[in-house]
Amino acid sequence: DTEVTQTPKHLVMGMTNKKSLKCEQHMGHRAMYWYKQKAKKPPELMFVYSYEKLSINESVPSRFSPECPNSSLLNLHLHALQPEDSALYLCASSQAGTWAFFGQGTRLTVV
Amino acid sequence: GENVEQHPSTLSVQEGDSAVIKCTYSDSASNYFPWYKQELGKRPQLIIDIRSNVGEKKDQRIAVTLNKTAKHFSLHITETQPEDSAVYFCAASMAGNQFYFGTGTSLTVIP
Repeated sequence: DTEVTQTPKHLVMGMTNKKSLKCEQHMGHRAMYWYKQKAKKPPELMFVYSYEKLSINESVPSRFSPECPNSSLLNLHLHALQPEDSALYLCASSQAGTWAFFGQGTRLTVV
Repeated sequence: GENVEQHPSTLSVQEGDSAVIKCTYSDSASNYFPWYKQELGKRPQLIIDIRSNVGEKKDQRIAVTLNKTAKHFSLHITETQPEDSAVYFCAASMAGNQFYFGTGTSLTVIP
């Protein structure tokens, strides 16, 4: 299985809602990432998990809360988001020293 | 974190011509440099990568060069085809973690 699977593909949520994005990979990669991508912009690193431990938080607001339940799963919990948080959220994974493999992304709209 | 600059932001070439995209990075600890192609509405996908102990790498019509001293690397696409039209991102990484992306180049190949 050479895929990073993200669910849902699309999500519309209100500013008072709580939702979660999910990411799964079965390639044995030990590093997993969350990126945020706005239209016509590069992916922007949010979080890095290495061996299921949070290793990097790029000063992301606390309304975004990552979780890595096991080596194959990565979640991003969303709470009290703002309209400017609307974006494509990309999950990626990598083996040590190799390229990041991206999922198809979740297109999030905050209304 | 790492700062990656990418030029040009847009590039139009005639089919069959070559395209060159250039990137510079700031952190001398970066040692791995992948290039991604992102088509509209799709995820970034790796097209080629290079490590800091290599000066050049080629894969069919695509080549990447790296100058560690000057901290810059370039993507070369020869014999361009309309299907090469996409946004291209360079990235810099330390040991395959913390991938930081350049600002992107929108390439249009004119038939």
